[in-house]
Amino acid sequence: NAGVTQTPKFQVLKTGQSMTLQCAQDMNHNSMYWYRQDPGMGLRLIYYSASEGTTDKGEVPNGYNVSRLNKREFSLRLESAAPSQTSVYFCASSEAGGQPSGANVLTFGAGSRLTVL
Amino acid sequence: QKEVEQNSGPLSVPEGAIASLNCTYSDRGSQSFFWYRQYSGKSPELIMFIYSNGDKEDGRFTAQLNKASQYVSLLIRDSQPSDSATYLCAVRGSNYKLTFGKGTLLTVNP
Repeated sequence: NAGVTQTPKFQVLKTGQSMTLQCAQDMNHNSMYWYRQDPGMGLRLIYYSASEGTTDKGEVPNGYNVSRLNKREFSLRLESAAPSQTSVYFCASSEAGGQPSGANVLTFGAGSRLTVL
Repeated sequence: QKEVEQNSGPLSVPEGAIASLNCTYSDRGSQSFFWYRQYSGKSPELIMFIYSNGDKEDGRFTAQLNKASQYVSLLIRDSQPSDSATYLCAVRGSNYKLTFGKGTLLTVNP
């Protein structure tokens, strides 16, 4: 079982460059999420997609765009990278994003470490 | 702003002891509560979830929820060195979004 697969695992960018982080899940989950994790800040939600065809902003969406390409794939794009976007990025998915239940449980990818110089 | 607060630690306990991890949240309409464990350099993995007041036990782990006090805790009995990790509390609020606390670093000393 692959679960949630993120690519790339590591990336170094220069300020102003663009890149896309790819995420795919094979669990037939409806909801997908992008988080960033910084020391002392915990996990912060960037964007999420409650179902195919929908996306919504999270806590820290500025400087990012997302695309829910299909039910399996949810990509995160940095149009003009800034040093403040240096972070570890996690993609996650869950069966559902609504009513309280075990279906809300997130499964995380392995993470993508991004450094912006 | 919906907040989830955890003591950052580090919390240090001897092997075999009970480790107690605490979390408070500000959104009184929160519905689901999760504990994730994250080893250094790895991704978070679910330990337990709870959404009814009271205790929920799974092996050496017990989650406790008190909605009136807006408080959720995780007890780890017979702590092992392999339990050394950062423990993240996550709360699904009334807006259905999941908010994580900053995590508590637990160290279990042999």
